[in-house]
Amino acid sequence: QSVLTQPPSASGTPGQRVTISCSGSSSNIGSNIVNWYQQLPGTAPKVLIYTNSQRPSGVPDRFSGSKSGTSASLAISGLQSEDEADYYCAAWDDSLNGWVFGGGTKLTVL
Amino acid sequence: EVRLSESGGGLVQPGGSLRLSCAASGFTFSSRAMAWVRQAPGKGLEWVSSTRAGGGDTYYADSVKGRFTISRDNSKNTLFLHMDSLRVEDTAVYYCAKGGSYVGRILEFWGRGTQVTVSS
Repeated sequence: QSVLTQPPSASGTPGQRVTISCSGSSSNIGSNIVNWYQQLPGTAPKVLIYTNSQRPSGVPDRFSGSKSGTSASLAISGLQSEDEADYYCAAWDDSLNGWVFGGGTKLTVL
Repeated sequence: EVRLSESGGGLVQPGGSLRLSCAASGFTFSSRAMAWVRQAPGKGLEWVSSTRAGGGDTYYADSVKGRFTISRDNSKNTLFLHMDSLRVEDTAVYYCAKGGSYVGRILEFWGRGTQVTVSS
């Protein structure tokens, strides 16, 4: 069982907006920044959102992140077929002294 | 261009040992925290271990504490993970990840991973 809680799956049709939630606690999301990773099938994870809401260069502005209290969320607007992937949230945990991840959300574009 | 290239994975019997290496290039290795993250077949990401830029402070997941040792050679831009007393449940792809300026900031770039299989 993961320390951060994400829904195992999400879906949407092309053009729709979907959100993926990530719930934690005061020792991780509540006191540290949240990063989001995208893992396409058969590849290594890559950073999608860092420091709660920042996008690395090259990541489309269709992707956005937010954080409030001990929860964070990833929003994807204008859904495209190439967005089909697994998405993970992550934060440093001050009690565990290590990184904690969400269990991952598999996004399906219908 | 940032590059991380893991090596050293393979098939090992339960109770055995392996040493993973991660050769880094394209950035100032000595100024970045580094980490190992693993992914068991069909499962999610699990953080294994991290080290500060200078290498003095190390951190471990409870699942590997006392069995795995992370180290780095800043003169050779290489990160290591020495794994002892391997268990079947350690079977996974092991990724090397470049961190930020401090250990809890970000895992901002990942290598392609190396497969570790623990089986008799």
